[in-house]
Amino acid sequence: GEDVEQSLFLSVREGDSSVINCTYTDSSSTYLYWYKQEPGAGLQLLTYIFSNMDMKQDQRLTVLLNKKETQLSLRIADTQTGDSAIYFCAGINAGNNRKLIWGLGTSLAVNP
Amino acid sequence: NAGVMQNPRHLVRRRGQEARLRCSPMKGHSHVYWYRQLPEEGLKFMVYLQKENIIDESGMPKERFSAEFPKEGPSILRIQQVVRGDSAAYFCASSWDYNQPQHFGDGTRLSIL
Repeated sequence: GEDVEQSLFLSVREGDSSVINCTYTDSSSTYLYWYKQEPGAGLQLLTYIFSNMDMKQDQRLTVLLNKKETQLSLRIADTQTGDSAIYFCAGINAGNNRKLIWGLGTSLAVNP
Repeated sequence: NAGVMQNPRHLVRRRGQEARLRCSPMKGHSHVYWYRQLPEEGLKFMVYLQKENIIDESGMPKERFSAEFPKEGPSILRIQQVVRGDSAAYFCASSWDYNQPQHFGDGTRLSIL
C-alpha cells in the first residue's frame, strides 16, 4: 500500500542548513509536496516537485528527488528561528487514487 | 485573494451534540478536501468533493460523519452525536484541479466535553 515516512525530529543551529528526508513507497506518485505547519496554524504549501524532475530550488529551499530510492528531501539553507515548525511531505498518485498520502511530519527545532 | 476560509476556528460541543464545520475554498477552486489531524499524528484524509459531488469518501467513518459541497455556499463537514474521540483539528483544503497543489485553511479545532 501507499506509505510516507519521515523522521520525527530534527534540531539544528541557526544559520546551519537543515535537511529533512522523506521516503515514500508509492513509486507511481506523480506529485510530491512539502508543507509547513506552525503551532496552532494550518498547513502552508512550501514547494512541490513533479516526479519527472530530480531537483527544484526556490530561494532558501531545495527539493531533491531520488526516484530510484523513492526518497524526497527538503533542504533549508541558512535556517532561521522562524523556520521552527513541523514539515510534512505528501505524495499524490494522479491516477485513480487521487488523495494525498501524508507523512507524520518532522518537527524542526532551530536553536539560536 | 482570500485563502481557504474555515469557521469556526474553535468549536466546543458536548457528547451527543452535532458539529458543523464550514469551509469556503479559494476563489476559482472547485475541489475541496477534508482532513483530520489528531494530536501528535499526521493528517488523515477524510473526503474529497467537487461541486455537488462526493468523489472519494474512503476516509470518512461509516457512521455519524457526512460532507457536502453545494452548488452555492461553503462545504460542510457534519458530525452527528459527537463523542470524545472526535476531538481533533479538522482541516479543509482546496485546489483548482485534482492534481494541483492543495491550499489549506487554518483548521477548526473541535473539542468534545
